[in-house]
Amino acid sequence: NAGVTQTPKFQVLKTGQSMTLQCAQDMNHNSMYWYRQDPGMGLRLIYYSASEGTTDKGEVPNGYNVSRLNKREFSLRLESAAPSQTSVYFCASSEVASGTYEQYFGPGTRLTVT
Amino acid sequence: DAKTTQPTSMDCAEGRAANLPCNHSTISGNEYVYWYRQIHSQGPQYIIHGLKNNETNEMASLIITEDRKSSTLILPHATLRDTAVYYCIVSPNDYKLSFGAGTTVTVRA
Repeated sequence: NAGVTQTPKFQVLKTGQSMTLQCAQDMNHNSMYWYRQDPGMGLRLIYYSASEGTTDKGEVPNGYNVSRLNKREFSLRLESAAPSQTSVYFCASSEVASGTYEQYFGPGTRLTVT
Repeated sequence: DAKTTQPTSMDCAEGRAANLPCNHSTISGNEYVYWYRQIHSQGPQYIIHGLKNNETNEMASLIITEDRKSSTLILPHATLRDTAVYYCIVSPNDYKLSFGAGTTVTVRA
């Protein structure tokens, strides 16, 4: 099992450009998440999808859109990138087990907006 | 407002136990205590979680005080590969884990 995979690993954008970050998981998890991590900080939740067909805002959703394409895939789109969106983006997935939520994380996408 | 308080950093010697404290004095009755760690530049990794009782798995032990206002993560025999940022998180059964700044643990040979 690959677990959670993310593409691309690195990306440089100019201000105003758009791009989509891709995430896929092969663990048959129902829930998926997008976080961002700025230098020296903890992770902040952007959006999450509790199950296929649903998405909800997290702590910092402004400037982002998401799509839960199917049970495996959850994408994050930046419509008009800004330097403030320079960050490392992590995708995660989880499944209910004994009533708690252990999240599995991908390796991250390092995005720089100039 | 932060739900947890952790020391900014700590050192420990290789082969010794590492005891990582966490205060969560406002924890609610339905909130679990989770511990994750993040090794340099990688995605966070789940370590352990608990509600009231002490828990142990192959990675670590979690000791929760009787009043649940604090907890300690114990790495029984720290190795150099345990050098990481450790996050203590309290959360109910929902989808929103809030990662603070964590404790930077450096294991020294």
